[in-house]
This record gives sequence, C-alpha cells and structure tokens, in this order.
Amino acid sequence: DAGVIQSPRHEVTEMGQEVTLRCKPISGHNSLFWYRQTMMRGLELLIYFNNNVPIDDSGMPEDRFSAKMPNASFSTLKIQPSEPRDSAVYFCASSFVSRGAQYFGPGTRLTVL
Amino acid sequence: AQTVTQSQPEMSVQEAETVTLSCTYDTSESDYYLFWYKQPPSRQMILVIRQEAYKQQNATENRFSVNFQKAAKSFSLKISDSQLGDAAMYFCAYIVANSGYALNFGKGTSLLVTP
Repeated sequence: DAGVIQSPRHEVTEMGQEVTLRCKPISGHNSLFWYRQTMMRGLELLIYFNNNVPIDDSGMPEDRFSAKMPNASFSTLKIQPSEPRDSAVYFCASSFVSRGAQYFGPGTRLTVL
Repeated sequence: AQTVTQSQPEMSVQEAETVTLSCTYDTSESDYYLFWYKQPPSRQMILVIRQEAYKQQNATENRFSVNFQKAAKSFSLKISDSQLGDAAMYFCAYIVANSGYALNFGKGTSLLVTP
C-alpha cells in the first residue's frame, strides 16, 4: 500500500510568495495532521483534521497559514505571504483513529529566501 | 505541561552490538500510547514501535524492543544486533487517550552506528 504522499518534496520561494503544500493520506485513515519541524522548535503540530473537519488549528502560527481538506484523500497547507522564518520541513501524517499511530509522509522542505 | 525527555542527545554503537535509548515522560493520565519514531537522513519519520500504556507486556518488533516502566514513566528503546541502517535520529512520543491526538515528541537522540 502507498504511504502518505506529499508534494512537492522541495520548495524554494521568495519572501512574499504564496506556497501550497499538498498531502494525500493513507486510504482509509480518518485523521490527518500537519506538522512543522525546525531545529529550534522540533516537531510542532499545526492542525488536525478528523473526517475532513478541522478539529484544532491552535498550532497554526498566524493568519498567513491556512489548511483545507476538501475530501478524505487530499489536504493542502497554504502560506500566503511566505516569510523566511517559515523555512522548515513540513510533514503530513495520517492515522486510522485519532489516537492511533500516525504515519508520516516524506515531508516538504520549504526554503523562503 | 506534558513533556517528553530524551536525556541522550547523541549515542554511538558498534555494528552488531546492542544499544538502549532512554525516554521519560510526564503525564498525569493513565490511558495513553507511546511510540518510537526513527528519522534517517532522508527525513522520513518512520514508526518503529508502539506500546499501549494499559499493557504490561513490553512491545517488540524484530530487533527493536521497549522497556516500559509505567510507574517510573520510562519508555526506553533497545536495538539489538545494530546495523548501519539503524543510524538515525530517534524520537520518543506519546498521545494521551482522552485528550488526544497531538503527538508529544521528545527532542530526539542521534544514533551513530560504527562498523
């Protein structure tokens, strides 16, 4: 079975540009998570969806960040406008139940110049 | 605050030897799940092993096993017959069942495997 799929794997953009990260969770999983990993702060949960509904977005840093899950097989994380401090690795993860083991995608390394 | 402490920022082991990575956590809850994740240089976060807090038996997955001490809130990972491919950052994490969906991660232990 395919694991969690993320695209792009790498993104380099300039400050002020819009960035969209994409995620396809594992088929049948009903929970989806977006994490951000930096050297300074480690792994941080940004937002969590259950059955396509955002449950907790308290980890989203600010209004420049938004996430959607239009259906069970697709989610996006958008940053507009992007800033250099947004540079990080962004992971998408999915699980069968909200308390189950979470399976991570390969991550998107975002660099904002 | 709920925290996970991995007291060993770096560890080294020789190929074919055994190494133990330590993890302690702090929660007042009784129902939770514990995990070890591996992150090799490729950045992929790979689930290594999981343990339900209500189970007394320690989980094992091939060469990986845990020593779960609930009273001490300790959850160490033992890697037997270490292989070069085991070199990675290892993260300990848990989820509290009744509040739970966010994985609480430790800061990780970097494992070096020498030939």
